Amino acid sequence: SAVISQKPSRDICQRGTSLTIQCQVDSQVTMMFWYRQQPGQSLTLIATANQGSEATYESGFVIDKFPISRPNLTFSTLTVSNMSPEDSSIYLCSVEGGRFYGYTFGSGTRLTVV
Amino acid sequence: GNSVTQMEGPVTLSEEAFLTINCTYTATGYPSLFWYVQYPGEGLQLLLKATKADDKGSNKGFEATYRKETTSFHLEKGSVQVSDSAVYFCALRPGAGGTSYGKLTFGQGTILTVHP
Repeated sequence: SAVISQKPSRDICQRGTSLTIQCQVDSQVTMMFWYRQQPGQSLTLIATANQGSEATYESGFVIDKFPISRPNLTFSTLTVSNMSPEDSSIYLCSVEGGRFYGYTFGSGTRLTVV
Repeated sequence: GNSVTQMEGPVTLSEEAFLTINCTYTATGYPSLFWYVQYPGEGLQLLLKATKADDKGSNKGFEATYRKETTSFHLEKGSVQVSDSAVYFCALRPGAGGTSYGKLTFGQGTILTVHP
């Protein structure tokens, strides 16, 4: 089956610092997305990671806070910048297209900001 | 805009009971509909999907039928097991052609607990 590797799986970070989350897919995919799941909440789309161009952000999310890279069709990173405790969430990457049936999610990164 | 509304939880059942988790949606055009499951401490897994009206998605004993007339995609299972305890999310993807194409909109999630 298709494999999405997301790193780190969890981290505890100091406020004011930044964390970069990696999403590696084992085959090329057209669409990659980043979601946030706040404690006890549903998933909210942060942005669509576009290969070779800037990410497309949803309302309420900005590039300065959540810079995203997508250098090729199998890899993307999300950085959570200048973190505060309100950023404590699970961050998930998702892919669609290629040989993925429906949308497939990475296992998530559980971030705690102290 | 697009939205998904799930029945509120938590839902607590005994093993072998019948499960229904209601899901209704609002969307223009012809969305695709999904159910995802999130087991404790894990990421999201696609449980089943349906891409057009009257389609029935099924997997692991779970079923859901895409009802356009009632804008619903209710999840059902005839006999739940303790291992089904998880959070279940209903989601939609808008149809092709709009600016939201490819983006999933999720319901709020329903916590299911199954007791032996």
